[in-house]
Amino acid sequence: DAGVTQSPTHLIKTRGQQVTLRCSPKSGHDTVSWYQQALGQGPQFIFQYYEEEERQRGNFPDRFSGHQFPNYSSELNVNALLLGDSALYLCASSLGTGVGGTEAFFGQGTRLTVV
Amino acid sequence: DQQVKQNSPSLSVQEGRISILNCDYTNSMFDYFLWYKKYPAEGPTFLISISSIKDKNEDGRFTVFLNKSAKHLSLHIVPSQPGDSAVYFCAASSYNNNDMRFGAGTRLTVKP
Repeated sequence: DAGVTQSPTHLIKTRGQQVTLRCSPKSGHDTVSWYQQALGQGPQFIFQYYEEEERQRGNFPDRFSGHQFPNYSSELNVNALLLGDSALYLCASSLGTGVGGTEAFFGQGTRLTVV
Repeated sequence: DQQVKQNSPSLSVQEGRISILNCDYTNSMFDYFLWYKKYPAEGPTFLISISSIKDKNEDGRFTVFLNKSAKHLSLHIVPSQPGDSAVYFCAASSYNNNDMRFGAGTRLTVKP
C-alpha cells in the first residue's frame, strides 16, 4: 500500500515564477492538506481539500492556490514566487473531514528553493 | 500567532532513561493534541494523540499527559532508545476540523 507521494522532491525556481507541486494521497484517503515548513519551524497549515473543494484555509495569501482531482490527488500552486516561499512543502492525507484529531499521513515533502 | 509552542529546541538523554518533551498552547478551543515524529528527509509520522477530555494516554513506551488548566502537555518516552532520535512536533486541532497547528519542534537525541 503506497503511502502519500509527493513530486518533485526538490525544485529550484526564480523569484517571480510560478510553481506547481503534486500529491497523491494514501490509498483510501479522500482529504488532502498542504503545509509549509520553513527552516527551523513547524509545519504551517496552508489549506485543505475535500471533495474537490477547498474546505479550510490558513493564513496564506491568494498567491497560494490548489486543486483536488476526482481521484483525490492534489496540486499546490504558488504564483509570483518570493524568496520567503523557500521551504519544505508537505502534503498530508486523511480520511474524511470535520473530524478533529484524525491521524494524518504525511509525504516526504517537496523542497522548494527560490533564488 | 503562535498558538502551539515548544520552548525547548533540543533535548539529549541517555539510552534507557526517560525523555520528557513539553508543549504549551494558548487556544483553549483545541480539542485534540497530537505528537508527530520526523526523521531527516522524511515526512512527519503520527506517534500518539490525546483528546482534551482526557488527561493521559498511553501507547507502549509513549505516554502523553495533558494539563488543561495549565494549557500544557508533555510526551514521556520510557525507556528511551537511540532509534527515538528525531524531531518531535506537538500539534493541536479542533473537534470540527482537522487542520493542525504545529509547534516548532524539539530535536531529541538519545545517546547509547
